[in-house]
Amino acid sequence: GESVGLHLPTLSVQEGDNSIINCAYSNSASDYFIWYKQESGKGPQFIIDIRSNMDKRQGQRVTVLLNKTVKHLSLQIAATQPGDSAVYFCAEILNDYKLSFGAGTTVTVRA
Amino acid sequence: ETGVTQSPTHLIKTRGQQVTLRCSSQSGHNTVSWYQQALGQGPQFIFQYYREEENGRGNFPPRFSGLQFPNYSSELNVNALELDDSALYLCASSFRETQYFGPGTRLLVL
Repeated sequence: GESVGLHLPTLSVQEGDNSIINCAYSNSASDYFIWYKQESGKGPQFIIDIRSNMDKRQGQRVTVLLNKTVKHLSLQIAATQPGDSAVYFCAEILNDYKLSFGAGTTVTVRA
Repeated sequence: ETGVTQSPTHLIKTRGQQVTLRCSSQSGHNTVSWYQQALGQGPQFIFQYYREEENGRGNFPPRFSGLQFPNYSSELNVNALELDDSALYLCASSFRETQYFGPGTRLLVL
């Protein structure tokens, strides 16, 4: 089965608010994680990544947090915009080559 | 845009037929991975090619096969198509761990 999963399949957020998307993983040996955004009809788009020797990494309007103790990572999106509406996947690298994806969280931004 | 392109964008086949999907890697990337994404699910790893050799394979039967060419472009071939093969097929190219995806090929098997 999949080793990466997301806590909630859907998230509705008011435009301008912050969004938090959660993900739990089961493989304690995983050392590299990626968040992807997938819009309807498109391939997954790289957002941000983090290695296991880090707790936090920031990008433009996005922050990824990694808690290795409880095997949990989250993606925070600041000031959510309509263009952020998409399905978000966390993925981990297994065996140094393959990405293992969770089922995804669908984010809907309310105007 | 990632620079990864795939063709065709859409395809309709009938059960038992064979299909070939194509992928062009982003410039400078020597590794290509293929994924199958069923509706409403996350992508599932099929296999990866590095410098024209298969570098790893997921839980897919042998009727799923691939090639990588000297220019690092790649093909995914599926023989004896089944209805459950209907999905979005994604390729991703990489130089190190980070994989960048193309737009996918939507395959419908009737």
